[in-house]
Amino acid sequence: DGGITQSPKYLFRKEGQNVTLSCEQNLNHDAMYWYRQDPGQGLRLIYYSQIVNDFQKGDIAEGYSVSREKKESFPLTVTSAQKNPTAFYLCASSIGQGFKDYGYTFGSGTRLTVV
Amino acid sequence: LAKTTQPISMDSYEGQEVNITCSHNNIATNDYITWYQQFPSQGPRFIIQGYKTKVTNEVASLFIPADRKSSTLSLPRVSLSDTAVYYCLGFQRNQGGKLIFGQGTELSVKP
Repeated sequence: DGGITQSPKYLFRKEGQNVTLSCEQNLNHDAMYWYRQDPGQGLRLIYYSQIVNDFQKGDIAEGYSVSREKKESFPLTVTSAQKNPTAFYLCASSIGQGFKDYGYTFGSGTRLTVV
Repeated sequence: LAKTTQPISMDSYEGQEVNITCSHNNIATNDYITWYQQFPSQGPRFIIQGYKTKVTNEVASLFIPADRKSSTLSLPRVSLSDTAVYYCLGFQRNQGGKLIFGQGTELSVKP
């Protein structure tokens, strides 16, 4: 079955460490997105990529980095510069620009906790 | 992108019809109204999308008046499993549109 896989489901990080969250899709979607969700809040856009080897900052990109070397993969690195990284992280994909796109497919999320 | 306004929370009972209204006064001509459902600790799931008038699928109906400044998601005969957060968004289909999520409506269905 096609879908988006995020791993790990739970992640613990010590202060000062960088961690990388994995996101893989087999939907052949061009566009991929990373969102952050805090308790009781909606989703906020961190980074997005419309095509391989290209990505743009979202509304809260500071302290995060991404890469898009392959169409199916869009890993997110939470760096030590991110002051409050504890949150629920969601990856999504969509068909992409120029196509009749009904919306996004989301992964099941990674819950990151700083200890 | 259209800014949307929804009630923060709603309560209902099993078997009732639930209508959640979303206001989007500055919706763009090429925005489609899209609704997502999110259960705790899961990613949002697409429910329904429409441009104007009425759209119905196996899960819900979506009513959009002619001026498109609001929309109403209708869930027929809700069950306990419909307890979730529901998001209303504007989405530009052919432009690789970014989804901008508001706070959503937390629906609580009681027995």
